[in-house]
Amino acid sequence: GNSVTQMEGPVTLSEEAFLTINCTYTATGYPSLFWYVQYPGEGLQLLLKATKADDKGSNKGFEATYRKETTSFHLEKGSVQVSDSAVYFCALKNNQGGKLIFGQGTELSVKP
Amino acid sequence: GAGVSQSPSNKVTEKGKDVELRCDPISGHTALYWYRQSLGQGLEFLIYFQGNSAPDKSGLPSDRFSAERTGGSVSTLTIQRTQQEDSAVYLCASSPPGTVGRSEQFFGPGTRLTVL
Repeated sequence: GNSVTQMEGPVTLSEEAFLTINCTYTATGYPSLFWYVQYPGEGLQLLLKATKADDKGSNKGFEATYRKETTSFHLEKGSVQVSDSAVYFCALKNNQGGKLIFGQGTELSVKP
Repeated sequence: GAGVSQSPSNKVTEKGKDVELRCDPISGHTALYWYRQSLGQGLEFLIYFQGNSAPDKSGLPSDRFSAERTGGSVSTLTIQRTQQEDSAVYLCASSPPGTVGRSEQFFGPGTRLTVL
């Protein structure tokens, strides 16, 4: 079946450090891939998405590239800020269905 | 415009009681989803509505859980004879018409359910 695996947290970084959160998936067909973010005390928000192989999603300095050959969608940011502290969820959606399948979430804590 | 709203924001109930959770999707959104978020299980899909029908209810954990949607808008998730393992945050999301597989889902703030 379809599944998403992301690196375990918590991840603790200093401000301006480089961030990578790994995400790999198992799916039939050609799913769409998403990163959602949950800031403390807030609801889930879409951060970025990619709908086909080699697409790059980007938003707020974050990027992720849909790599079909490695079934990966790693999240990166060149210079994190304290305000990026949140829980990040990688997810996939099969184009034949509606439901999102989420990874377990990675908590990021950025220290000044 | 208004986002997805859910009520109540918090619900504390006793084991064995029934609860109803409500979701108001974004106006014009045809698809509606229920998920739950718990410490042990992460984020799990429960049920998906397209209009008033539910083509995928594969995530409902037991027959104590049911959901309906009326008028292509408001949805209610009902949990009968609640158990302590039902304690979680129940999230609702909606998405606009279009290719379901690619559409963004917009999430509500959730209802935190605590079963004592």
